[in-house]
Amino acid sequence: GQQVMQIPQYQHVQEGEDFTTYCNSSTTLSNIQWYKQRPGGHPVFLIQLVKSGEVKKQKRLTFQFGEAKKNSSLHITATQTTDVGTYFCFNAGGTSYGKLTFGQGTILTVHP
Amino acid sequence: EAGVVQSPRYKIIEKKQPVAFWCNPISGHNTLYWYRQNLGQGPELLIRYENEEAVDDSQLPKDRFSAERLKGVDSTLKIQPAELGDSAVYLCASSLFGTAGYYGYTFGSGTRLTVV
Repeated sequence: GQQVMQIPQYQHVQEGEDFTTYCNSSTTLSNIQWYKQRPGGHPVFLIQLVKSGEVKKQKRLTFQFGEAKKNSSLHITATQTTDVGTYFCFNAGGTSYGKLTFGQGTILTVHP
Repeated sequence: EAGVVQSPRYKIIEKKQPVAFWCNPISGHNTLYWYRQNLGQGPELLIRYENEEAVDDSQLPKDRFSAERLKGVDSTLKIQPAELGDSAVYLCASSLFGTAGYYGYTFGSGTRLTVV
């Protein structure tokens, strides 16, 4: 089924460095959601973006939705070891059969 | 609020044996999802319920997997017989609306199944 492609697959950073993960779609998205999954844990909802060009912030996390609603990004400023995990973007508007599947996500490792 | 409750947390079974997973969603959430997550992969949707109706089961391997959501509340996912390739984490999630809305999906802690 249709998926949103996410890059990079892996990212290793030193604590204090910034981190960005990108999601790209060939088609216009009705919305995009972001989730975080800690190692050994389950996905936890972070945020939903709906509007073209929307930018939302949660402390050190900045989420953007592209003007064409075909891409999105998550930027973490000054990473901390607590940021370790896998970040997934997810097209929650893909309610057609079989489309509500997550991509591979970006695995973030933060070295102290 | 207890969140999405799943049981058991872990299950080890021999191949060809049956296994069942149980999920109790957040009270009031009409939409319930069963996902399977293999190591290093994102969650894959198996089935989605709107109340008691399965509205998307296109990715459920129906020869061995079955699910039910009686009375539109808790749900059970069954595998019979299990195969080695079924080893994965089975996640249940619920949401207030069919497209998750501004509150997203709430996932349970999952059941880690190992088939030996």
